[in-house]
Amino acid sequence: KQEVTQIPAALSVPEGENLVLNCSFTDSAIYNLQWFRQDPGKGLTSLLLIQSSQREQTSGRLNASLDKSSGRSTLYIAASQPGDSATYLCAVRPRSARQLTFGSGTQLTVLP
Amino acid sequence: DGGITQSPKYLFRKEGQNVTLSCEQNLNHDAMYWYRQDPGQGLRLIYYSQIVNDFQKGDIAEGYSVSREKKESFPLTVTSAQKNPTAFYLCASSIGSPTPEENTQYFGPGTRLTVL
Repeated sequence: KQEVTQIPAALSVPEGENLVLNCSFTDSAIYNLQWFRQDPGKGLTSLLLIQSSQREQTSGRLNASLDKSSGRSTLYIAASQPGDSATYLCAVRPRSARQLTFGSGTQLTVLP
Repeated sequence: DGGITQSPKYLFRKEGQNVTLSCEQNLNHDAMYWYRQDPGQGLRLIYYSQIVNDFQKGDIAEGYSVSREKKESFPLTVTSAQKNPTAFYLCASSIGSPTPEENTQYFGPGTRLTVL
């Protein structure tokens, strides 16, 4: 059964720092991996989707990488801002299932 | 505006009562999903539906029921058989699985259910 792990569970950084969030998964047979953002008490917003054949995706200050062989993905946030404070979740779409499997998230706080 | 709406935003239930959470989408998506989120945990799948009049159990379906009579609507009923229903419930939809590599899920704003 696919398992997704995100470490650390929480992270605080000063404004302006570049940072990396980590996601690992146990089964490399996936269609894609997604990074989501969740603000307190809100739904999820999709940030980036990396297909299994891709190595990375970029959107503005965000860059996500995927290494299927090692079962790892990273989300790089450049020049962090207080508005980036949120919980970041990664999810994989296994080839063996129709639904997503989620990690428990990393709660990011960017201090002004 | 296209999107997914969930109502109500907050819901309170007495023990022993059934309650129904609404989820509507106008994205013309075939697939719809219900997830449960507990503090400090990721989302867990309750039920999903790939097409009208068809739905499948997810990982934690016990104590829940759904229907899919219309493409746009996928209501979730939390029954009295669900022993620990207090949680944040999220509905999502996606185009379907013709191109699973590209398929992303879009989420509603959620309903917070509290059992009194």
